[in-house]
Amino acid sequence: GNSVTQMEGPVTLSEEAFLTINCTYTATGYPSLFWYVQYPGEGLQLLLKATKADDKGSNKGFEATYRKETTSFHLEKGSVQVSDSAVYFCALSASAGNMLTFGGGTRLMVKP
Amino acid sequence: NAGVTQTPKFQVLKTGQSMTLQCAQDMNHEYMSWYRQDPGMGLRLIHYSVGAGITDQGEVPNGYNVSRSTTEDFPLRLLSAAPSQTSVYFCASSYSMGQGARGYTFGSGTRLTVV
Repeated sequence: GNSVTQMEGPVTLSEEAFLTINCTYTATGYPSLFWYVQYPGEGLQLLLKATKADDKGSNKGFEATYRKETTSFHLEKGSVQVSDSAVYFCALSASAGNMLTFGGGTRLMVKP
Repeated sequence: NAGVTQTPKFQVLKTGQSMTLQCAQDMNHEYMSWYRQDPGMGLRLIHYSVGAGITDQGEVPNGYNVSRSTTEDFPLRLLSAAPSQTSVYFCASSYSMGQGARGYTFGSGTRLTVV
């Protein structure tokens, strides 16, 4: 079956530090890959996505590249802000349907 | 545009009580789903629907029922609440099957405590 594995958190960084959150996946076919963000007390919001190999999704300074050879979709940001403190979820949608499979989530805490 | 609306936001139940979590969307999405979020376990799919009158089980369906009589509404029913159902519940919707690449729209969640 499909699965998503994320690095465990929490990840604690100082403001303006470089962020990487690792995500690897197992899936049949050619899934679409997503990063969702959940701010405190809120639902999940789509942050970025990539639908085929070598695609790069980007939004709000965050980037992730769909690497089929390593089955990875790592999230990066060059300079984090306190407002980026949230839980980040990596997810995939199998090509045969619409269901999303989520990773366990990674909590990011950014200190001033 | 309201998006996905969940009610209530908070609920406390006693073991054995029943209740319905409401979910409504105004985007004419065909696909709707319910997830539960537990610490360290991410989101797990409970039930989903690909259109009015069609529902199916997800990863953790036991103890929950759903129905889809209209495109807009997808209620989740707990028939006899148990402490193991203490969780945060999210409803999500998206366009029809085959357009999953657009991603999901989530509601803001219902925090349920069963005592």
